[in-house]
Formats: sequence, structure tokens, C-alpha cells
Amino acid sequence: AQSVAQPEDQVNVAEGNPLTVKCTYSVSGNPYLFWYVQYPNRGLQFLLKYITGDNLVKGSYGFEAEFNKSQTSFHLKKPSALVSDSALYFCASWDSSYKLIFGSGTRLLVRP
Amino acid sequence: DAGVTQSPTHLIKTRGQQVTLRCSPKSGHDTVSWYQQALGQGPQFIFQYYEEEERQRGNFPDRFSGHQFPNYSSELNVNALLLGDSALYLCASSLGTSSSGGTDTQYFGPGTRLTVL
Repeated sequence: AQSVAQPEDQVNVAEGNPLTVKCTYSVSGNPYLFWYVQYPNRGLQFLLKYITGDNLVKGSYGFEAEFNKSQTSFHLKKPSALVSDSALYFCASWDSSYKLIFGSGTRLLVRP
Repeated sequence: DAGVTQSPTHLIKTRGQQVTLRCSPKSGHDTVSWYQQALGQGPQFIFQYYEEEERQRGNFPDRFSGHQFPNYSSELNVNALLLGDSALYLCASSLGTSSSGGTDTQYFGPGTRLTVL
């Protein structure tokens, strides 16, 4: 079965430090990968996507993600975390029938 | 430029009742997808509408049905509500670029929180 996995339920980081939120995928064909962020009681906000091209994708709010085909990973990164980055982050991918499948989410907590 | 809007924001129903949720897509978008997000989980795909037809469907029973109108807005209907239907229902819009759904980015609305008692 095609799937997206986020192995960490929660990531804790101090403000100003770099952050990484991990995602691995298992889909047929070329992957089309996305990161979304969800704040409490809100819908999902699009951060960035990988379709093809450069393995390092830049997105909104200073976030970027690195696509690694050999490791089937698409980790979300930011060089310097802000307290306001604290939220729930979802990795997603189109499956072979063009349905968007999501990981279970990773809660990011940035402490002052 | 208006984003995706959903109504109502919150809804409380009892078991066995029926509910209708509404979604207006982002300006310029013609495809609407619906998702169910249970507490503590990622969104699960329910179905997608394009050109007023259901194009894709996830693993949800027939109690879940939908409709898309000529102005691209959409409704999600759930019949015979169960306690397990309590969730945040998200609508997402995108631009359909092919009959297979394309790979365009989906933009999400704020959701409707459904509570079934």
C-alpha cells in the first residue's frame, strides 16, 4: 500500500536553533510531495511542494525541504526556528490514482 | 482574492441525523476535494469533484455523498450519522489540469468541526 510516514510524533527545539521534521514516502512512480502546517482549530496551510527539479525546495516562512530519492525522504527544515513555528506539520503525497495521502503529523514545539 | 471558505464552522448533531457541509473554492479553482480529520490524525481523503462529477473516492461508505454546483462550490452530505463521524471536515480546492486529477496544489479551508452525540 502506498503511504507517507512521519516517524516523530513531536519535535522539540529551542528558538534560534535549526529544525528538522522527518517524512518518508512509499508511492508508485514519481513522487509529488507536499508539506502543510496546521495551527490550532485551523485548516491546513500550504508550505511547499516537490514535483521535479532541484532536490532542495524553498517554501513559505523560511521553510525548505530536501528530497532524497535513494532514502525516499522529504524532510522539512528551517535554519532558525521561531516560537511562532510551533504547530502541527503534515507531509503528503499524491498516490498513483491521484489521491492526496497524508502522514500522521508531527507536532513541533519551539521553546523560547 | 478570497480563499477557500466553509460553512458552518461548528455543528452538533445526534446519531442517526443527516448533515450538509458547504464549501466555496478559491477564486479560479474548479476542483474540490473533501477530507475527514479525526482528532490526532492526518486528513483522510473522502472524494473529489470536478466538472460536477465525482472523480475520485476514498474508503468511505455510501453514507458520505457530495455534489458540485456549476459555480464550482460543493456540498458534503453525511446520512445516518455515527459517533465515529465526529471530526474536522476539510475542503480543499485546486485547478484540475487533467482527467486524472493532475498534481496541482490543494488549498484548504478552515474546516467544519462536526460533533455527533
